[in-house]
Amino acid sequence: EAQVTQNPRYLITVTGKKLTVTCSQNMNHEYMSWYRQDPGLGLRQIYYSMNVEVTDKGDVPEGYKVSRKEKRNFPLILESPSPNQTSLYFCASSLGGYTNYGYTFGSGTRLTVV
Amino acid sequence: GIQVEQSPPDLILQEGANSTLRCNFSDSVNNLQWFHQNPWGQLINLFYIPSGTKQNGRLSATTVATERYSLLYISSSQTTDSGVYFCAVDDSGGGADGLTFGKGTHLIIQP
Repeated sequence: EAQVTQNPRYLITVTGKKLTVTCSQNMNHEYMSWYRQDPGLGLRQIYYSMNVEVTDKGDVPEGYKVSRKEKRNFPLILESPSPNQTSLYFCASSLGGYTNYGYTFGSGTRLTVV
Repeated sequence: GIQVEQSPPDLILQEGANSTLRCNFSDSVNNLQWFHQNPWGQLINLFYIPSGTKQNGRLSATTVATERYSLLYISSSQTTDSGVYFCAVDDSGGGADGLTFGKGTHLIIQP
């Protein structure tokens, strides 16, 4: 089944403890991205990647890192999480970022930083 | 950047009713998708529809790109249709900015 898989689905952590949210897609998509969803602010893009070893900032990149060493994986790294990063996170992929293809979203990761 | 407006913001209906959700966008798009966010937070892709009309069971969607709007129709609503419906667009200006989402329509279907 074609899908985007995120792990974990739920995570509670403490301020400052590094964490990684994994994202993997099995559709050979070139384009991958991360979004966060917050009440009243909607979904906002954090980072995106056009292809392996090519990443760029979205609208809200502060406090996050990403890497794209393989086409299928696009992990989101929080080096020192803070409470304002408590949010619902989504990974998405698409066949190509510049072209008019649809995006497939993962099931989301609900992160709480205390 | 491109603006996306959805209406109505909230909608409460009885089971079995029909509904129409609207999405207006401010510029040309090369991608438009409708999503359903269920009560567990998952974003379910309903339609990829930058233009034209598509149908999937009780749901259908129409996008009139020249007039910059899209409509999502839900017929014979069921309680499982409850949740938030998002319209999201990718403008045609090039680049890889990803999708711009509207604020959503919160739909409640009462039994």
